[in-house]
Amino acid sequence: GENVEQHPSTLSVQEGDSAVIKCTYSDSASNYFPWYKQELGKRPQLIIDIRSNVGEKKDQRIAVTLNKTAKHFSLHITETQPEDSAVYFCAARPGGNSGYALNFGKGTSLLVTP
Amino acid sequence: EPEVTQTPSHQVTQMGQEVILRCVPISNHLYFYWYRQILGQKVEFLVSFYNNEISEKSEIFDDQFSVERPDGSNFTLKIRSTKLEDSAMYFCASMGGINSPLHFGNGTRLTVT
Repeated sequence: GENVEQHPSTLSVQEGDSAVIKCTYSDSASNYFPWYKQELGKRPQLIIDIRSNVGEKKDQRIAVTLNKTAKHFSLHITETQPEDSAVYFCAARPGGNSGYALNFGKGTSLLVTP
Repeated sequence: EPEVTQTPSHQVTQMGQEVILRCVPISNHLYFYWYRQILGQKVEFLVSFYNNEISEKSEIFDDQFSVERPDGSNFTLKIRSTKLEDSAMYFCASMGGINSPLHFGNGTRLTVT
């Protein structure tokens, strides 16, 4: 099955700096890669996603890049703010005739200090 | 904006008891999921459900687990005989189609004592 690795497990940046979180996946047939933000005690919320036919996608301060050849994708947050502090999860959806379930990475705990 | 709703928000049960976790997916969605998250760990896939049947399940989803869509709106997860290690946050999720994003409910925190 699909295996998603995520790094780093914790990340501390100063307000205004950029944060980068990286993920790799194992199933070359995976075709959809979302990123979720989870605040303490709350549900994961989708912040951005990218499909396998696109190399980069941007939404204001958040961008995601995908390298299909290397099977890795990254989340970039620019001009970080304290409210960006949360756990971020990457995920991959395998292709093929499955239940289309997402497989998640272990998460990155991001702390943005003022 | 429509949401996935889950009840109860917190369930405490004794080991060996049966629990049923309830979910109402977003109304026009077709694909339904249960995930669990042990405190401080990653979100783990349990089961997917489409067209009134299980389409995929993980190794975690053993004979103690079952899902049901008893009517047009509810989607339930039953754990027949709970164990201490079943303590976790259980998230229901749904999506409209295979190219649609996955939306999570607020979760049910299950505590097995």
